[in-house]
Parts: sequence; structure tokens; C-alpha cells
Amino acid sequence: KQEVTQIPAALSVPEGENLVLNCSFTDSAIYNLQWFRQDPGKGLTSLLLIQSSQREQTSGRLNASLDKSSGRSTLYIAASQPGDSATYLCAVKYRTGGFKTIFGAGTRLFVKA
Amino acid sequence: NAGVTQTPKFQVLKTGQSMTLQCAQDMNHEYMSWYRQDPGMGLRLIHYSVGAGITDQGEVPNGYNVSRSTTEDFPLRLLSAAPSQTSVYFCASSDGADQETQYFGPGTRLLVL
Repeated sequence: KQEVTQIPAALSVPEGENLVLNCSFTDSAIYNLQWFRQDPGKGLTSLLLIQSSQREQTSGRLNASLDKSSGRSTLYIAASQPGDSATYLCAVKYRTGGFKTIFGAGTRLFVKA
Repeated sequence: NAGVTQTPKFQVLKTGQSMTLQCAQDMNHEYMSWYRQDPGMGLRLIHYSVGAGITDQGEVPNGYNVSRSTTEDFPLRLLSAAPSQTSVYFCASSDGADQETQYFGPGTRLLVL
């Protein structure tokens, strides 16, 4: 079964700390992996998209890496801010089983001022 | 561009009632999909479409119907609502079925009594 797992489920850090969110997936045959941010009661905002042929993507203070062979992706957030507090979701689009995207359950991040 | 729009924002149904959740996008995207989000479970794919006239099932299709008569619209029909269908429903679209970023609508909160 194609699954996506995110660890930890929740994380609380002081402002200014660098942090890493983890995403693991069970099948290396993927089209892409996407990281989203979701604020409470809101929709999803795309942060970074990594194609299957890429190793990493960067946007501002965010850096996402992809290692297909180990079935892992990490989202690195530098110099965290209270405004980064949200739930971060990892989504994998698999090549097998149709054009389906499987989401992880998310990591809820709280950055303390 | 409005992006991906969903109506209604919130709906209360009684068990056994039927209704249609509307989704529209103005980006001329071929790929559209419906997800439901339940607490602690991330997003689960209900149905998706890779173009007008083409639909397929996702992870949790039972109790839902879809059709895709135009590129812009992808309505989700609940045939006979059940309390287990209480959830937040998100519609998403992307330019291609494989490598492209998905854009999400703001969601519809559904409560079935």
C-alpha cells in the first residue's frame, strides 16, 4: 500500500531556531513530492514542489530535499518565526496506481516568540 | 484570476439528504481532484479527473459521484449523506497530471446530522 508518514506529529520550538520536518514514503516510483502549509481553518498553500529527477528545492528560508532511494524528504526551515506556526503537509504523487496523490497526516508546528 | 473556487463554504445536512459541492477553476487546468480532510488523518483522495469526460476513483470514493463535462468545473455529489461524511472537502487542480503543482480551493465544511 502506498503510504506517506510525517514525523513528528507536532513540534514546538523557540523563535530563531532552525528545524527539520520529515516525510517518508513507501514507494520510490513517484512523479513528484510537494510540501504544503495549512493555517487553521484554511486551505492549503504550496510551498515547494520537487520533481522526481530533482534532489532539492529552495524558496527563501525553506529548503526541501528528496531521496527517492530511501523514501524520504525533509523540509528545512531556517531562523523560524512565529508566523511560521501552521501545519505542514507532505504530498506524494505516485507513478503507479493512476495519477493519485497521497498526503501525510502533517506536522503541526508552533514557534514561540 | 480567481484560482480554485468552492461553494458553499459551509453546509449542514440531515442523514439521507443529497447535495452537490461545487468546484471551479479558471486556470485551464486539465487535472482536478477532490479530497476530504478529517482530524489527524491528513487529506484523502475521493475522485480525480485528468480531463473533461474522464474521471477515476481515489482512496475513498464510496458514497460520492463526480462528473467532468467541462474543463472548468468538477462537482462532487453526495448521494445519500451519512454522519461519516462529516468532513472538510477540498478541491484541487493542476496543469498536468504528473509533474505540476497542485492548487487548492478554500474548502467546504460539511456537517451531517
